[in-house]
Amino acid sequence: GAVVSQHPSRVICKSGTSVKIECRSLDFQATTMFWYRQFPKKSLMLMATSNEGSKATYEQGVEKDKFLINHASLTLSTLTVTSAHPEDSSFYICSAREGGARTNEKLFFGSGTQLSVL
Amino acid sequence: QKEVEQNSGPLSVPEGAIASLNCTYSDRVSQSFFWYRQYSGKSPELIMSIYSNGDKEDGRFTAQLNKASQYVSLLIRDSQPSDSATYLCAVDGGTYKYIFGTGTRLKVLA
Repeated sequence: GAVVSQHPSRVICKSGTSVKIECRSLDFQATTMFWYRQFPKKSLMLMATSNEGSKATYEQGVEKDKFLINHASLTLSTLTVTSAHPEDSSFYICSAREGGARTNEKLFFGSGTQLSVL
Repeated sequence: QKEVEQNSGPLSVPEGAIASLNCTYSDRVSQSFFWYRQYSGKSPELIMSIYSNGDKEDGRFTAQLNKASQYVSLLIRDSQPSDSATYLCAVDGGTYKYIFGTGTRLKVLA
């Protein structure tokens, strides 16, 4: 399957600092990437949909000024958690959509980033 | 609201048995269906994708789709302890969004 690279895999930071997470599609171009958040033993919660060259679409309840998403190229999307607080501690996962039609598309995930805010 | 329902489990099966995982979805216009495996602390890994009614086999895995009943399942033959994980069902929700179920935890007993 297609490869999606996500870095860093683990971040520990102090409260009030900003953290940037990168998501790259290595062997395909992804016009659409998604950012998810997952709490322990819970399912994936979609935060935002990132389209190359345009503004991200945020899900209801997700603060766009806190979670800045940039999708500058067809292979790179970044999520910046600004002024992080302990409640932002979570597992963040990006994914990229491969395939042009709804009947052959697949969604591949990055390896995830465990964020711990002290 | 579009929903994907899964039994949370745990589903326990003995090693070598067939594990059957089920998923129902609410949106009749969905066209793409996926099964992901997620180990604890790791991100989901795509196991199977299915787009048309019927069965699709890949090694020990078989996905079954019935759009009339809005039902998709995953069969794992010759289950191994390494198959123990949470299995997420995902359905396309239109406008290139994907809706995930809460997952079924599978335990394969050695």
